[in-house]
Amino acid sequence: DTAVSQTPKYLVTQMGNDKSIKCEQNLGHDTMYWYKQDSKKFLKIMFSYNNKELIINETVPNRFSPKSPDKAHLNLHINSLELGDSAVYFCASSQEALQGSYGYTFGSGTRLTVV
Amino acid sequence: TQLLEQSPQFLSIQEGENLTVYCNSSSVFSSLQWYRQEPGEGPVLLVTVVTGGEVKKLKRLTFQFGDARKDSSLHITAAQPGDTGLYLCAGVTPGANNLFFGTGTRLTVIP
Repeated sequence: DTAVSQTPKYLVTQMGNDKSIKCEQNLGHDTMYWYKQDSKKFLKIMFSYNNKELIINETVPNRFSPKSPDKAHLNLHINSLELGDSAVYFCASSQEALQGSYGYTFGSGTRLTVV
Repeated sequence: TQLLEQSPQFLSIQEGENLTVYCNSSSVFSSLQWYRQEPGEGPVLLVTVVTGGEVKKLKRLTFQFGDARKDSSLHITAAQPGDTGLYLCAGVTPGANNLFFGTGTRLTVIP
């Protein structure tokens, strides 16, 4: 059983299109996240979400929006895709815990290529 | 803003050698985690350290959290080809729950 699963694994699309990446976790975790990994392998937080609060990294364009139909899912919608959006996007989950004493479980990533 | 700087950025060593990776910051962290990422996969948690000065061992890997909780190190003894990967430190700042990642160290162990 995959703990955190993302689909699709690869996504190639044209500039201006709207696309979604799905994420599901079966760990019963309280909090889910989206990270973006650039070409230099730097991982940057985009969103964190639990059933109480959505925290958005202020540097994320509003073309990106997370949508959570339930506690086990956090999907990422991207409108009007741009070339600079090309990256690997990772979904992750963790138990809600102050001070980050619990580790994150990551999905295997979605490689988005905008052409 | 780059909160966590790792060094070296790249490291290529022979099987059986020892190595140390450093993770440094000017910020204090309430906890620090180390992950290993392999190509085409997400990062996988290796260890979490929460107390200043804490040392944890995971087989041939030794992790240390600095006394001031601003830095950490990962030491690998007798490296093996299976240790090859991208090593990432990640910290949680006090009062926050989000994990901020370091710049990464790409390790290659040559058989």
